Amino acid sequence: DAGVTQSPTHLIKTRGQHVTLRCSPISGHKSVSWYQQVLGQGPQFIFQYYEKEERGRGNFPDRFSARQFPNYSSELNVNALLLGDSALYLCASSVPGANQPQHFGDGTRLSIL
Amino acid sequence: AQSVTQLGSHVSVSEGALVLLRCNYSSSVPPYLFWYVQYPNQGLQLLLKYTSAATLVKGINGFEAEFKKSETSFHLTKPSAHMSDAAEYFCAVSETGRTGFQKLVFGTGTRLLVSP
Repeated sequence: DAGVTQSPTHLIKTRGQHVTLRCSPISGHKSVSWYQQVLGQGPQFIFQYYEKEERGRGNFPDRFSARQFPNYSSELNVNALLLGDSALYLCASSVPGANQPQHFGDGTRLSIL
Repeated sequence: AQSVTQLGSHVSVSEGALVLLRCNYSSSVPPYLFWYVQYPNQGLQLLLKYTSAATLVKGINGFEAEFKKSETSFHLTKPSAHMSDAAEYFCAVSETGRTGFQKLVFGTGTRLLVSP
């Protein structure tokens, strides 16, 4: 079975631009979460979507937004990019429940010049 | 808020030696705990999870972790290190948000170095 897939794998942008990252969850998983991992740190929670609705949001500015589609795939959008947005963006999918693990994709490496 | 603390940003062992990666948690409710591994230029792979069924949890690749409530710890161990175990390891706790969503709160990670 296919795991979580993310695209693109790498992206280079300049300050002020916007970016869209895409994620396809594991088949049957309706929950998708996004995390930001800055070099040398653990992942930080950005959003969780379930059944196409935002269920939770981390401490990120409004420049970050996301949505989930009827097929449960998801997009993360970041506007007005800053140098500090350079990071690995990870998508994870899961079934509902606090005891259920989240399964991660390989991420999108975003570099801001 | 729940949190985890990983002691030691780097741990070095020789091939064949015991691996011990430390994780302490802070939680006001019984926690759900996870260990993930991250190889270079890859995402996170689940090693094992603690969901209160048993205090000693066995995972993939020969790793196991023991939940100790009295010590608020969930340390990861492997009896004999392989070169292929060299990676970054993250401990995480599942936290429930106000609207009932679940998010993972990660530690800062421990890089495991394995020498021949």
